[in-house]
Amino acid sequence: GNSVTQMEGPVTLSEEAFLTINCTYTATGYPSLFWYVQYPGEGLQLLLKATKADDKGSNKGFEATYRKETTSFHLEKGSVQVSDSAVYFCALGRSETGNQFYFGTGTSLTVIP
Amino acid sequence: GAGVSQSPSNKVTEKGKDVELRCDPISGHTALYWYRQSLGQGLEFLIYFQGNSAPDKSGLPSDRFSAERTGGSVSTLTIQRTQQEDSAVYLCASTGRWDGANVLTFGAGSRLTVL
Repeated sequence: GNSVTQMEGPVTLSEEAFLTINCTYTATGYPSLFWYVQYPGEGLQLLLKATKADDKGSNKGFEATYRKETTSFHLEKGSVQVSDSAVYFCALGRSETGNQFYFGTGTSLTVIP
Repeated sequence: GAGVSQSPSNKVTEKGKDVELRCDPISGHTALYWYRQSLGQGLEFLIYFQGNSAPDKSGLPSDRFSAERTGGSVSTLTIQRTQQEDSAVYLCASTGRWDGANVLTFGAGSRLTVL
């Protein structure tokens, strides 16, 4: 079946530290992969995506590379800011009938000054 | 509209009462999802609508939960005889095509508190 496993939190980092949040997936075929971010009190927002192997999604200094050989889509940022404090969700999407999206459990990130 | 709109943003109700939550998706988006997010938890899939096809109800936790989508646009999630464990944020999302993938766009959510 389809599933997403992501690093458990919470994660606490100092400002300007390097961030990695691990995400691995299980799926047949070629799903699209996403990172969504949820700031406190808000809904989820798309952060970045990749649609095929070796694609790199990037936005707001965050990057993730679609690695089919390791079935991974790890989120990275070189220098986090306090404003990056949020919950991050890894997800995969399938182009098929029925429920198409599968989410990880979310990783809470707190960045301290 | 410009985004996915949900109402009410907050709802406090008494145990045993019925509640209705509304979602207005992005114009032209044919697929619509409902998710539930309990405090500090991940997303729980509830139901999925795609065009005129029969909805995928496989995530509804009990027969107290139902949803409909009228005219392929606005959707209403109804919870009958609410229980305290129904307290959560209910998120609606619709999908559009972007750069080769179906992408979910979420509303801000409806926070339900059952006393």
